[in-house]
Amino acid sequence: DSGVTQTPKHLITATGQRVTLRCSPRSGDLSVYWYQQSLDQGLQFLIHYYNGEERAKGNILERFSAQQFPDLHSELNLSSLELGDSALYFCASSAQSSTGTETYEQYFGPGTRLTVT
Amino acid sequence: SQKIEQNSEALNIQEGKTATLTCNYTNYSPAYLQWYRQDPGRGPVFLLLIRENEKEKRKERLKVTFDTTLKQSLFHITASQPADSATYLCALYPSGGSYIPTFGRGTSLIVHP
Repeated sequence: DSGVTQTPKHLITATGQRVTLRCSPRSGDLSVYWYQQSLDQGLQFLIHYYNGEERAKGNILERFSAQQFPDLHSELNLSSLELGDSALYFCASSAQSSTGTETYEQYFGPGTRLTVT
Repeated sequence: SQKIEQNSEALNIQEGKTATLTCNYTNYSPAYLQWYRQDPGRGPVFLLLIRENEKEKRKERLKVTFDTTLKQSLFHITASQPADSATYLCALYPSGGSYIPTFGRGTSLIVHP
């Protein structure tokens, strides 16, 4: 158990719908990273938040958005869903160094499997 | 464009042997390279990190090498066990202080008893 929690574990929805995925980082970690993993694309970085602020964006579609709340949990919102959005969505947090900066060790949650029908 | 290549074919080995997995990259100058283990349907688990100025890193039965001239990292598991069967991902971090990794597609390792 990495200490990162994600809900729900599975989600089945129809095309055109909107869903929200939730992530809580490990206790003490300030950052949250979101990734999408599909069979044909591998693990793709979507977006990074640190202490409530967006730090970096990757290959995230405009239909997708995210935020990190004051309690540090994060939500990834996926709207106007398409069949191709079916994938595993992971969040990860990175450990803090003794000086309070981020480190390069990422701890992944168990993922949310999204199926769009 | 930047490319990270890991062998897409599964590596099958006998228990007790050393497994060696390869990560090659092009058009990239990574500052850090990591290896992760991923079991089916689960999140990746961090194993080892190696810096660009380090040649080798070890942790228990694991060893990682990093050759920036060859643009290659090798990941070794000695005395492999069936429990080591999983997909192993390499991830590269660019220089410049970015915390955003680029992951390879991973190589599946199958250790036969």
